[in-house]
Amino acid sequence: LAKTTQPISMDSYEGQEVNITCSHNNIATNDYITWYQQFPSQGPRFIIQGYKTKVTNEVASLFIPADRKSSTLSLPRVSLSDTAVYYCLVGYGQNFVFGPGTRLSVLP
Amino acid sequence: DAGVTQSPTHLIKTRGQQVTLRCSPKSGHDTVSWYQQALGQGPQFIFQYYEEEERQRGNFPDRFSGHQFPNYSSELNVNALLLGDSALYLCASSSLWGTPSHEQFFGPGTRLTVL
Repeated sequence: LAKTTQPISMDSYEGQEVNITCSHNNIATNDYITWYQQFPSQGPRFIIQGYKTKVTNEVASLFIPADRKSSTLSLPRVSLSDTAVYYCLVGYGQNFVFGPGTRLSVLP
Repeated sequence: DAGVTQSPTHLIKTRGQQVTLRCSPKSGHDTVSWYQQALGQGPQFIFQYYEEEERQRGNFPDRFSGHQFPNYSSELNVNALLLGDSALYLCASSSLWGTPSHEQFFGPGTRLTVL
């Protein structure tokens, strides 16, 4: 049974780097890993997507080890506005499975 | 350039009724996926439509059905509503169906309350 897990919550201070890890043991060979950010009463917003190794864009980095059984979203120098719920999404064959979400609280 | 739009924003129904939710994809996208998000939980995949056909489906009963129109817009229908169907229903659009990479753009959702 496909399952995706994440820490339920994390706290950080402004300016720090935050790393959120998602476990996805049963990821299919050709599936990608995508991370989303969600604010209350809004739809999820795309952050970054990757297949293996490391991907970086203007807002985040994504690290994926060789076995692809986990992935780590890295947010450099977070600000108060980064307080949100972060989800990983993994394609499992004919299904797409979101993780339970990690509630990140950024403190001043 | 409009993003993904959904209607209505909020909806209240009673048990046993039927509901139809609507979604217009982002310009240039041809694939629409629907998700159910219960309060405090992650979105759960319902199904995905491409070329007016259901291509992939999650673990949802047949009470949940959908349709995609030639202009790529989509509807989600839920019959015989249960209290447990109360949730935020999200529509996401994407392109390049059939490829592993599926960057999906989400709408703001429709909040359904079943009394």
